[in-house]
Amino acid sequence: AQSVTQPDIHITVSEGASLELRCNYSYGATPYLFWYVQSPGQGLQLLLKYFSGDTLVQGIKGFEAEFKRSQSSFNLRKPSVHWSDAAEYFCAVVAGGFKTIFGAGTRLFVKA
Amino acid sequence: NAGVTQTPKFRVLKTGQSMTLLCAQDMNHEYMYWYRQDPGMGLRLIHYSVGEGTTAKGEVPDGYNVSRLKKQNFLLGLESAAPSQTSVYFCASSYSRAEEEYFGPGTRLTVT
Repeated sequence: AQSVTQPDIHITVSEGASLELRCNYSYGATPYLFWYVQSPGQGLQLLLKYFSGDTLVQGIKGFEAEFKRSQSSFNLRKPSVHWSDAAEYFCAVVAGGFKTIFGAGTRLFVKA
Repeated sequence: NAGVTQTPKFRVLKTGQSMTLLCAQDMNHEYMYWYRQDPGMGLRLIHYSVGEGTTAKGEVPDGYNVSRLKKQNFLLGLESAAPSQTSVYFCASSYSRAEEEYFGPGTRLTVT
């Protein structure tokens, strides 16, 4: 069965430091890959997506993600974190059928 | 454009009561989804619809029913609420299966 793993339940980084959030998926072929962000009390908002082509994709708010087929990973990165980036981040895959599978989420804390 | 709206925003039910959550989208999307979000579990798909008049089961459909009588509306019903259905419910819609999902602000439901 398809699955998405976000190994880190929460991460704390200092403002201005770089960030990498990990995401691994389990699927035989290349799925459609997404990263969403959820601010407290809000719905989810798309940061970026990967379908095919260039394995490094750019998203909104200065985020990027790299698809690595050999590692079944789609890690999210940002070179310099801002306090407003504190939120929960979800990796998601669409792998066959009509179902999106979400990871459990990683909560990002930003310290001054 | 209002995007995706959900009513109500909050609701408290007693065990055994019934209720309907309403989702509306004004983007002319074919696909609509109902998710529940529980701590540490990400989002899990309850039911979805690929067009007006169609519905299908997701990952956790038991105890819920849905209807899509109009393209813009997707209703989620709880016929006999149970404490295990205490959760935050999100509706989402998308133009097609592999496109970004647009989320509503959520409904926080407590069943006592």
